Amino acid sequence: GQNIDQPTEMTATEGAIVQINCTYQTSGFNGLFWYQQHAGEAPTFLSYNVLDGLEEKGRFSSFLSRSKGYSYLLLKELQMKDSASYLCAVQTGGSYIPTFGRGTSLIVHP
Amino acid sequence: EAGVAQSPRYKIIEKRQSVAFWCNPISGHATLYWYQQILGQGPKLLIQFQNNGVVDDSQLPKDRFSAERLKGVDSTLKIQPAKLEDSAVYLCASSLVGGNTEAFFGQGTRLTVV
Repeated sequence: GQNIDQPTEMTATEGAIVQINCTYQTSGFNGLFWYQQHAGEAPTFLSYNVLDGLEEKGRFSSFLSRSKGYSYLLLKELQMKDSASYLCAVQTGGSYIPTFGRGTSLIVHP
Repeated sequence: EAGVAQSPRYKIIEKRQSVAFWCNPISGHATLYWYQQILGQGPKLLIQFQNNGVVDDSQLPKDRFSAERLKGVDSTLKIQPAKLEDSAVYLCASSLVGGNTEAFFGQGTRLTVV
């Protein structure tokens, strides 16, 4: 089976930078997604990494190290609206089956 | 572009009753997923379809849950009979192909079993 680990909760200050880590143990790794989910809403796509390295998209960046089974999501210039759950999802196998971690609840305070 | 449509949004049933959820994916999306999300946890994949064929249903409790996607478009998920621990949000998602493309999620159905 797949094992995906994320911190349960993090807090940060508006305007700051926060890094949310995700570690995984899987077989047949294809790629890794990050999704954002506001309370009571559906997850929305943030990023997808298949190769090692950093992918930057505006205020959000995602990093992957396949050899270490490690990824992080970096959020810069935090805004109050960034308060949400951040879900790491690993895709495996020939059928690209996605498995989600339990999510990290990020609280941004003034 | 219309998103993934799900209905109903909310459902309350008594244990041992049956319930069905409906999902209409984004037009042209071959892959459809049903997830169960219990409060405070990440989504758990129940079943993945590619067109009208099942790709993975290893985590679907088949003694009580069933799902179909007969014409390769919309899908229904049924629970019969429901248990208290089935209380969760049931999310439907779709993607263009099952590979390295993002999934688009519907708003979900919040099921409460009492």
